[in-house]
Amino acid sequence: DAKTTQPPSMDCAEGRAANLPCNHSTISGNEYVYWYRQIHSQGPQYIIHGLKNNETNEMASLIITEDRKSSTLILPHATLRDTAVYYCIVRVAGYISGSARQLTFGSGTQLTVLP
Amino acid sequence: DTGVSQDPRHKITKRGQNVTFRCDPISEHNRLYWYRQTLGQGPEFLTYFQNEAQLEKSRLLSDRFSAERPKGSFSTLEIQRTEQGDSAMYLCASSYLTDTQYFGPGTRLTVL
Repeated sequence: DAKTTQPPSMDCAEGRAANLPCNHSTISGNEYVYWYRQIHSQGPQYIIHGLKNNETNEMASLIITEDRKSSTLILPHATLRDTAVYYCIVRVAGYISGSARQLTFGSGTQLTVLP
Repeated sequence: DTGVSQDPRHKITKRGQNVTFRCDPISEHNRLYWYRQTLGQGPEFLTYFQNEAQLEKSRLLSDRFSAERPKGSFSTLEIQRTEQGDSAMYLCASSYLTDTQYFGPGTRLTVL
C-alpha cells in the first residue's frame, strides 16, 4: 500500500470548515483513499473513502486531486466533538484484490477544534 | 445494526497471567480483524479471519498470542504469559462486501 503524509496537528475554530490534507504521491490506480478518525480512548471511526471522484456523506467531503497524489478531508462545520486524530490510509479494496487487506495506520493529524 | 462490541473494555492483570478478549462483529460481517494500539501510535494489524479461517497473521503476533473464530461469528484473542510490553489497546474490526472496516471500542490491557 502507498504511504501517506499528514501534518501532525491542526487547529480549527468551532463552526468553521476543517480542511485536513493528505499526500499520497505513490498511490496506484487501484488504491482507494480511506479516512478514519479516533477520538481519545475510542476505536477508530470510519469517515469516508474514494477512488478518484470527490465523495460526500453526512460526515464529511473528500476531495481527491486529478492526479490522485493528494486529497483533502473537509468537515464543513467543525464542532468540539470533531476533536480527534484523523488518519488518511491508502489501500487496495479487498474485494478488488481478492484478499482482504489490513489497514496500515500512520501517525495521523491531531485536529483540535477550538471554541 | 448494533456495531462491533468488545469485552471486557478494560483489563488489568499481573505479569505472567493469561488473558482472553472477546469480539462480536457486526451481524453477517464475514471478515474480522484484530489490531493493537500502543500509546501515541496508530493501530497495528495483528491477524485477520474470513469466516472461521485465520488467513493472515502479522509478525507482531508472537507465539504467546492466539486468536480463534470457531463458528465464524465472535472471535477471541488470548495472550499467554503476559508481559508489560503487552500493555496496549486491542481493537477488533469487521467488514463485509464493501470491505470497509468498522471498529469496536477496544479492550485496554494493563499488565502490572
